[in-house]
Amino acid sequence: GAVVSQHPSWVICKSGTSVKIECRSLDFQATTMFWYRQFPKQSLMLMATSNEGSKATYEQGVEKDKFLINHASLTLSTLTVTSAHPEDSSFYICSASTEETQYFGPGTRLLVL
Amino acid sequence: GESVGLHLPTLSVQEGDNSIINCAYSNSASDYFIWYKQESGKGPQFIIDIRSNMDKRQGQRVTVLLNKTVKHLSLQIAATQPGDSAVYFCAEGANSKLTFGKGITLSVRP
Repeated sequence: GAVVSQHPSWVICKSGTSVKIECRSLDFQATTMFWYRQFPKQSLMLMATSNEGSKATYEQGVEKDKFLINHASLTLSTLTVTSAHPEDSSFYICSASTEETQYFGPGTRLLVL
Repeated sequence: GESVGLHLPTLSVQEGDNSIINCAYSNSASDYFIWYKQESGKGPQFIIDIRSNMDKRQGQRVTVLLNKTVKHLSLQIAATQPGDSAVYFCAEGANSKLTFGKGITLSVRP
């Protein structure tokens, strides 16, 4: 149980384009989902907290207009990287919470050329 | 600010030996703690968690110890196997948010 999926698993795009990443909780409902970013050999950094039916809460330093988050249902949250640039290349990971424990998706590797 | 940190960046152990991974935290308001394992190119995998009102919790081959007096968390892996090789993160939770430590690489020697 407590399986979280992400799609796509990797994406390569040109600079200036937008990329959408989906996060789904497959066997449970998650009122709260989280989006993280991880650079090579570094820890996970929380970008935003996504609550179903309400606006996401962004961490300090994260541009909400660049990283659009939509949590349309209890099993789906999406992260859209708008006007992507090479510095946005990273490993994006979502998680979904069941009470206090968070279960993580497999991650999406984004490469912006 | 508050932070979660790990004492050692890497740990090398012999296959079959026990592994102990340590973590220090500084936010006394954290009410739960989680250990995650992350293999290369994958998302973090939940290993075990412990709430702040406990000092020990056991799972299959793993034990987590919490010492709130010195704000210390440890993960013990019994009979370490090659498949245990990965990066391990401790994370502390407060108000439904997790703060991750820097990560430690566990390398198992055959």
